[in-house]
Parts: sequence; structure tokens; C-alpha cells
Amino acid sequence: AQSVTQPDIHITVSEGASLELRCNYSYGATPYLFWYVQSPGQGLQLLLKYFSGDTLVQGIKGFEAEFKRSQSSFNLRKPSVHWSDAAEYFCAVGAQDTDKLIFGTGTRLQVFP
Amino acid sequence: EPEVTQTPSHQVTQMGQEVILRCVPISNHLYFYWYRQILGQKVEFLVSFYNNEISEKSEIFDDQFSVERPDGSNFTLKIRSTKLEDSAMYFCASRFGRGANNEQFFGPGTRLTVL
Repeated sequence: AQSVTQPDIHITVSEGASLELRCNYSYGATPYLFWYVQSPGQGLQLLLKYFSGDTLVQGIKGFEAEFKRSQSSFNLRKPSVHWSDAAEYFCAVGAQDTDKLIFGTGTRLQVFP
Repeated sequence: EPEVTQTPSHQVTQMGQEVILRCVPISNHLYFYWYRQILGQKVEFLVSFYNNEISEKSEIFDDQFSVERPDGSNFTLKIRSTKLEDSAMYFCASRFGRGANNEQFFGPGTRLTVL
């Protein structure tokens, strides 16, 4: 069965520091992978997605993620975090033969000035 | 920029009561979804809807749940007899096409509290 694991429930970083949020997935075939961000009171906004091709994908707001098949990972990175990046981040997996997205439990990012 | 909207933002109801959660998807989208997130847990898929019928549903989506697109713009989720464990944030989503390269756009959610 498909599953997504986000091992870090809560991460705190200083503004300007680099960031990496971890995501591991379990899926038999080639997955479609997504990162969503949820700010308080807002819906889930798509940051970036991976379907195929280049394993390093660029997204909005300066985020990038790298698909590593050997590690079943799709970690989200940002070189320099801004205070406005404080939010909840969700990794999700989808597939061609299904409509649904399978989400991880999310990582709450707190940014200190 | 077009967006998915949901009403109400917060609904409080008594156990056993019926609730209807409303969503207005993006106007040219054809595929519609409901997800829910119990506090502290992951976002879970409930149901997908296309061409006026359910295309996929999870085991959570039992006979107490139903969905409808009554007027070509709204997309509703009805819970017939709410239970305490239905308390959650409910997200509506829509997308234009079914392929994975078609992004699912999510609404801000309705927080349902069952007392």
C-alpha cells in the first residue's frame, strides 16, 4: 500500500538558515510526488511536484526537492529561510491509476528572527 | 487568480445531527475531491467525483457520507448522523483533468466540531 512518512513533526530554524524537510514514501511503481504548504487559515498550496525526468525539481518561493529512488525519498530544501515560510508542510504521493493523494502527517516549521 | 472556496469556515454541531459542508470549485474544473484531517493526524482522502458520480472512495466514506453537485457550481459533502470522531478539518479540492500533471487545488477547509 502507498504511504508517506515525514519523520519530523516540528522543526525550528533561524531566519536565513538553510532548511531540509524529510519525506519518505512507499509505493510499488514510479510515484508522483508533491509538496504542499499550509499557512494558518489557508488551504493547501502546491510548492512543487515530480513526475519524471530531472530528479531535482524547482518550485515556488525558492523551494526545491530531490527525488532519490534508491532511498525512496523526496526531501524539500531551501537555502535561506524567510520568516514568512513558517507554516505546515505536507509531502504527498499520487499515481497514474488513482485519483487520490496520500499525505504524510506534516512538518510544522517555525522560524525565529 | 481563481480559487476553491468553502463554507462555512467552522461548523459546530451536536452528535447525531446532519451537516452539509459546501465547496465552490474552480469554474472550469471537472474533478472534485474531499479530504479530511483529524487534529494531529494526516490529511486523508475521502472521495473523488467526476461526471456526477463517485469515481473513487476510501473506506472512511461509508453510508453516512454522501456527495452531490446540485447546481453545477457547488460541491457538497453531507454527513447524515455525525459522530464525535467526525470532528476534523474537511478540505475540498478540484482539478481540470485527471492526469497527475493536473494539480489539485485545495480550499481553505471547514473545521467541523461535533459535540
